[in-house]
Amino acid sequence: DIQMTQSPSTLSASVGDRVTITCRASQSINNYLAWYQHKPGRAPKLLIYEASSLESGVPSRFSGSGSGTEFTLIISSLQPDDFATYYCQHYNTLYSFGQGTKLEIK
Amino acid sequence: QVRLVESGGGVVQPGRSLRLSCAASGFTFNIYGMHWVRQAPGKGLEWVSLISYDGLNKYYGDSVRGRFTISRDNSKNTVYLQMSSLKPEDTAIYFCAKTRSGSYRAPFDPWGQGTLVTVSS
Repeated sequence: DIQMTQSPSTLSASVGDRVTITCRASQSINNYLAWYQHKPGRAPKLLIYEASSLESGVPSRFSGSGSGTEFTLIISSLQPDDFATYYCQHYNTLYSFGQGTKLEIK
Repeated sequence: QVRLVESGGGVVQPGRSLRLSCAASGFTFNIYGMHWVRQAPGKGLEWVSLISYDGLNKYYGDSVRGRFTISRDNSKNTVYLQMSSLKPEDTAIYFCAKTRSGSYRAPFDPWGQGTLVTVSS
């Protein structure tokens, strides 16, 4: 099974900050990597797919990069609505998620 | 507008069974695979199961294989998760989600709001 490891687990930041979340796969996942935003009581929301493709309707301040086993999610300028938990997910052979990164207000 | 609505959650004793439903609308249901994903209290997301568009292919996560069964009724635009031999560690919010495309190698989009299952005596 492919294991996904995210870092950091928690991130404190302020509105306007640039933040980076990292995701590492235990083996190559051929860029079959997605990022989701999840808020309590809400449905998780797809942000990025195929490592770097922005889902329709998602603000351009979100971007993804990486290949093989190392991937990043960048939020270029944090907005109040962005404080949430973020998950990476591979969908190469079956599926698994990273443990999540909780983005908190500093 | 694509919509997924889960139901069937509740409190159940260990060892008992429960069936969850996910009603879909706003898209051509019978051409997409459907997933179940869960989130235990204070934990992250865990993939549970996938069913192909025609119901012929089913896949399960290690923690539920042999106890949970996924199925679908394309005439009712509904996917089900039959959960048996439930354990306290199955306590979680259960989400259904649509494959973003017709391929298994696709992210999940959209997701439902989830239904809470509590396994406790």
